Amino acid sequence: EDQVTQSPEALRLQEGESSSLNCSYTVSGLRGLFWYRQDPGKGPEFLFTLYSAGEEKEKERLKATLTKKESFLHITAPKPEDSATYLCAVQADGGSYIPTFGRGTSLIVHP
Amino acid sequence: NAGVTQTPKFQVLKTGQSMTLQCAQDMNHNSMYWYRQDPGMGLRLIYYSASEGTTDKGEVPDGYNVSRLKKQNFLLGLESAAPSQTSVYFCASSWSLSSNQPQHFGDGTRLSIL
Repeated sequence: EDQVTQSPEALRLQEGESSSLNCSYTVSGLRGLFWYRQDPGKGPEFLFTLYSAGEEKEKERLKATLTKKESFLHITAPKPEDSATYLCAVQADGGSYIPTFGRGTSLIVHP
Repeated sequence: NAGVTQTPKFQVLKTGQSMTLQCAQDMNHNSMYWYRQDPGMGLRLIYYSASEGTTDKGEVPDGYNVSRLKKQNFLLGLESAAPSQTSVYFCASSWSLSSNQPQHFGDGTRLSIL
């Protein structure tokens, strides 16, 4: 069974304090790993897709990396507007192809 | 671009009432999904549709039914609402089930069952 675990559950940072969110996964074969951002009262918004170990993607202050067992979302010098819940989802290569979601990391950045 | 549109945004029902949640996408996506999101539980898949006219059960299908008569629409029905179905419901779409492309989500329907 595919499993996705995100840590920490919640993270509080001061503005400018860089940190990383973790997404650990267990799948028979990885088809894709997705990162989403979810603001309160909104649906998840797509950020990145990673396909193979060693791959990296960047967008503004966010950088996503991938190994064979986990992905990290690095947040450099965060701002209050980066406050949101970040979700990770893994799509396995085979079976139903339905992505398995983690429970998310709630990030609050204080000014 | 509207993307994925869900109606209504909010709804309050009494136990035993029925209703249909509507979802429409304008991206010509083949696959569509219904999730519920509860505190501490994450996103749980209720039903999905790989293509127009087909539907399959997800992780938590009991008490729900779905309809995918048109490619752009995916309907979620509650036949006899129960308080346990109080949740936020999200519809999503993607190019196809087997493609490694991301899902696109609507902004949800907040449903309370009294």
